[in-house]
Parts: sequence; structure tokens; C-alpha cells
Amino acid sequence: DTAVSQTPKYLVTQMGNDKSIKCEQNLGHDTMYWYKQDSKKFLKIMFSYNNKELIINETVPNRFSPKSPDKAHLNLHINSLELGDSAVYFCASTLDLSTDTQYFGPGTRLTVL
Amino acid sequence: GQQVMQIPQYQHVQEGEDFTTYCNSSTTLSNIQWYKQRPGGHPVFLIQLVKSGEVKKQKRLTFQFGEAKKNSSLHITATQTTDVGTYFCAVKAAGNKLTFGGGTRVLVKP
Repeated sequence: DTAVSQTPKYLVTQMGNDKSIKCEQNLGHDTMYWYKQDSKKFLKIMFSYNNKELIINETVPNRFSPKSPDKAHLNLHINSLELGDSAVYFCASTLDLSTDTQYFGPGTRLTVL
Repeated sequence: GQQVMQIPQYQHVQEGEDFTTYCNSSTTLSNIQWYKQRPGGHPVFLIQLVKSGEVKKQKRLTFQFGEAKKNSSLHITATQTTDVGTYFCAVKAAGNKLTFGGGTRVLVKP
């Protein structure tokens, strides 16, 4: 009965590979987000989707491509992984665009070797 | 974009003591949120403050929003080992984009 779930929890891969992270929420929320947390714990928003529509696209390299097949799912595909992509990626959701309380998933720790 | 500064970055506290972490903005805020992230965990929403001068309490945690709505504080009394973690303030920008402060990492000495 996890509210926001992410897979995988850990991801270790070589530079240059392509990988995907998946996120699902069972809260019935309309809006979902991807955040990146670096080694210094700094949390930065990457993308947000509202009802499958892209709302926020921060200055993120186009190697990162989010996809929302439906409003309960938001996946993140990363091409040509680089060392600097190593971080913890958090998915989050809010009820809608005007609601502030964010529910975070458990995170995916990505390590690029 | 909107930025918030959090101080201190690190807080080493003796168990049983009190401490305060601060969040400051150069612009007036519509509201401010606080989150806690345990080591190895994910951010968990604690509270949202909306009104000027607002004070809210959650057991040993006291949250305050400044009169000018440009700063906020989180005060923890009688710190316990369960308080270990990183505390983030966050402010809302356009498009419901949440901008997080750098966090205060709290370590508790037993």
C-alpha cells in the first residue's frame, strides 16, 4: 500500500549506458515530479507533469527524457549516462498543481562508474 | 528564481539540548514548507506555514513564519536521537515548483 513507489531502488551502471527509472503513485494525484539530490543533499526539481502533460522542464540535459503514460506513472529515461548523473533521484506527487504538500517516493540511488 | 538560504548547514546537538534552524529569503513568500529526511530516507512533509507571524507546534518541534514572511525557523526542544536527519525548508514558485533550501543536517550526540 505504498503511496509513491520507485524502481529500482539502486542502479549501478557504466558510463555511456541508457537506463530508466519508474515511478508510480496510488494516491490519485494529478501532478508528479522528478527531483535530483546530489551528494551534498541539495534537492533540485527536474520535471513536473500534470495529468500526463509536461509542466516544468528545468535546465536539464536532453539526455533526460521523462514519460508519463498515465497520471499515476512518471518514468525517467536517461541516455548516455555520465559520471555527474550519479545522485539519488526522487519521484514525488501532489494532489494537483495548486496543492503544495509533496509526497516523495523512496528514491533511486544511481551510481555511474 | 526564488532562493532560500538555510542556516546552519550542520548542527551537532547534545541529546536533550535545544536547537534552531533558520530559513531566509530575500523576497516575500506566499508560504513555506518544512520537510525532514532521515539518513537513507526520503523527504517527508512536516508542516506548511502561510500567515505572517504564524507559529505551529508538533510535539517538540516549533515552526515559525516571520512577520514579513521572508524567514522561518524550526526549533526543536530536548533533542532526541530520533531527530537525526536533514531538515529542509521549501518555498513555492510558479507552476507549483518547490524550491528547497540547502538543508540543515542534524547529528545528535548521545
